Amino acid sequence: SQQGEEDPQALSIQEGENATMNCSYKTSINNLQWYRQNSGRGLVHLILIRSNEREKHSGRLRVTLDTSKKSSSLLITASRAADTASYFCATPSGSARQLTFGSGTQLTVLP
Amino acid sequence: GEEVAQTPKHLVRGEGQKAKLYCAPIKGHSYVFWYQQVLKNEFKFLISFQNENVFDETGMPKERFSAKCLPNSPCSLEIQATKLEDSAVYFCASSSTGQLGQPQHFGDGTRLSIL
Repeated sequence: SQQGEEDPQALSIQEGENATMNCSYKTSINNLQWYRQNSGRGLVHLILIRSNEREKHSGRLRVTLDTSKKSSSLLITASRAADTASYFCATPSGSARQLTFGSGTQLTVLP
Repeated sequence: GEEVAQTPKHLVRGEGQKAKLYCAPIKGHSYVFWYQQVLKNEFKFLISFQNENVFDETGMPKERFSAKCLPNSPCSLEIQATKLEDSAVYFCASSSTGQLGQPQHFGDGTRLSIL
């Protein structure tokens, strides 16, 4: 079952603009991960934030985590056409740490 | 290899036929996961393996789905007596350990179409 919702479901921006995606989850977590899925491809791990962290950066990516609100956000700065993809948040759960995914945000960056 | 390799890319079966999907995890990775993606967004966990042992199968439909990871062979996911609702993209992922926070490496999936 899905961990939670992501919003927006779809986002269309111009190249150079920033894109922000939000994710809500339901259960207590140890960490939260963000993945990208290009059309017709598998998921690619982008960044992980632990439950005791509030913000993390990696290149043009900035992730925040608010455990009191059970929410996370992914900010992509200075977006490029190549950033066009679906973005999913995921949390590890279960005995083998399988991932439980959010519903995803489809990002389109227009050149 | 350095990538998770899934075959075939596309598989078309008539309703009631058998479907078998294969996955070669990254060499040295101990954990393998299978997920089902329906309608381009919802991912459902099916089963995980630690080496050749089933680790968690809580997501597997019991009656028609089975999976194996045998030594020196690709892992496989088999669906007997396929139904229209089995149409989906099936992803395999591997990780080096089962530790919390270990990123998973995904293959490009097998698109299964049941006609």
